[in-house]
Amino acid sequence: SQTIHQWPATLVQPVGSPLSLECTVEGTSNPNLYWYRQAAGRGLQLLFYSVGIGQISSEVPQNLSASRPQDRQFILSSKKLLLSDSGFYLCAWTPRASSNSPLHFGNGTRLTVT
Amino acid sequence: RKEVEQDPGPFNVPEGATVAFNCTYSNSASQSFFWYRQDCRKEPKLLMSVYSSGNEDGRFTAQLNRASQYISLLIRDSKLSDSATYLCVVNAATAFWDNTGKLIFGQGTTLQVKP
Repeated sequence: SQTIHQWPATLVQPVGSPLSLECTVEGTSNPNLYWYRQAAGRGLQLLFYSVGIGQISSEVPQNLSASRPQDRQFILSSKKLLLSDSGFYLCAWTPRASSNSPLHFGNGTRLTVT
Repeated sequence: RKEVEQDPGPFNVPEGATVAFNCTYSNSASQSFFWYRQDCRKEPKLLMSVYSSGNEDGRFTAQLNRASQYISLLIRDSKLSDSATYLCVVNAATAFWDNTGKLIFGQGTTLQVKP
């Protein structure tokens, strides 16, 4: 069966520090991968998605970047965090063969920028 | 207009009640629809897909009206454990060849079932 791992679970970082969140998927090949963010009391916002290695699409202009160095690895980064980057970050995947499939989420990373 | 709009919450209902959530979406090209459940400070989890003919899973019934671009979720015989936020989710595809699988989430409707 397929599983998705995301870490760390919680993170407290000062403003201006770098960020690296990692997500890996097991049990499938060629998944579509996504990064979503949920700010406190808000809905989920799609940040990035990837349909293949090295292929990254950004949905909103922001202080963050994403990379996909391997088929089942998706990384979210920032060089300098802002207070507004605080939130609940969720990695998700779907099978690429079926673009109408639901998303399956990792457990999420709760980021607090202080 | 928001891409996915849901009933404003919260819904506070007694155990055993029947409760209905509604959702409208703006993208007429959407091909897939879902309801997710999100518990406090947890990741969203798929509750059920929504099919054109309507579908049922135990106490949960989902319906889709493509002409009105409207989705609903009905929960019968509410349990305390049903307390959560329910997210209406719609595929963001703009054409049949769009294989990105992007999903747009509504803001969610909070349900609180009380004893």
